[in-house]
Amino acid sequence: DTGVSQDPRHKITKRGQNVTFRCDPISEHNRLYWYRQTLGQGPEFLTYFQNEAQLEKSRLLSDRFSAERPKGSFSTLEIQRTEQGDSAMYLCASSLGGGRGRSYEQYFGPGTRLTVT
Amino acid sequence: QQQVKQSPQSLIVQKGGISIINCAYENTAFDYFPWYQQFPGKGPALLIAIRPDVSEKKEGRFTISFNKSAKQFSLHIMDSQPGDSATYFCAAGDSGGYQKVTFGTGTKLQVIP
Repeated sequence: DTGVSQDPRHKITKRGQNVTFRCDPISEHNRLYWYRQTLGQGPEFLTYFQNEAQLEKSRLLSDRFSAERPKGSFSTLEIQRTEQGDSAMYLCASSLGGGRGRSYEQYFGPGTRLTVT
Repeated sequence: QQQVKQSPQSLIVQKGGISIINCAYENTAFDYFPWYQQFPGKGPALLIAIRPDVSEKKEGRFTISFNKSAKQFSLHIMDSQPGDSATYFCAAGDSGGYQKVTFGTGTKLQVIP
């Protein structure tokens, strides 16, 4: 399967702990996005990478959140000192980029469900 | 600030009927309008998308209608099937930016036999 993959699929952690999620985009896609989705809502944009460069961050991304894409391939999203309000589904998406054809289409992974107790 | 408004919040349709979901946007910079289908516990799956240079796009049983002047677009699911029961999200993106998409709040569709 060559779709977007995310790991882990589920994470339960205690308040105050740090967590890290991984996203592997579709191999030829140079754009990678992180979104957060809470119950009953649509996904909300968190941050965007083009290759290894992080080009945009949402105001939703507090200083407890950090994302990296060190070699322009997989990406990690770390949340430090987790709070109960961080409980959500964290979604990763990738797109081809390049401005031609269907380059804008974003393909989502299955998400990581975070529960903070 | 809700940039993409979606209605209805939930929808029940008989098998074989037409499901219609409506969205409206505010930002005139948006120029890419995808629809996503999401099943419980799964990530959103791209269903169909339209650019504002056309007023309608059809793929199988799914049709997007787009009204640029009214800043509205809608998804029609023809011959709705129980397997179509899912949450549908409209979204809008700006190709001049980083192409992140702004999602609507979702419509939970239930197709009953």
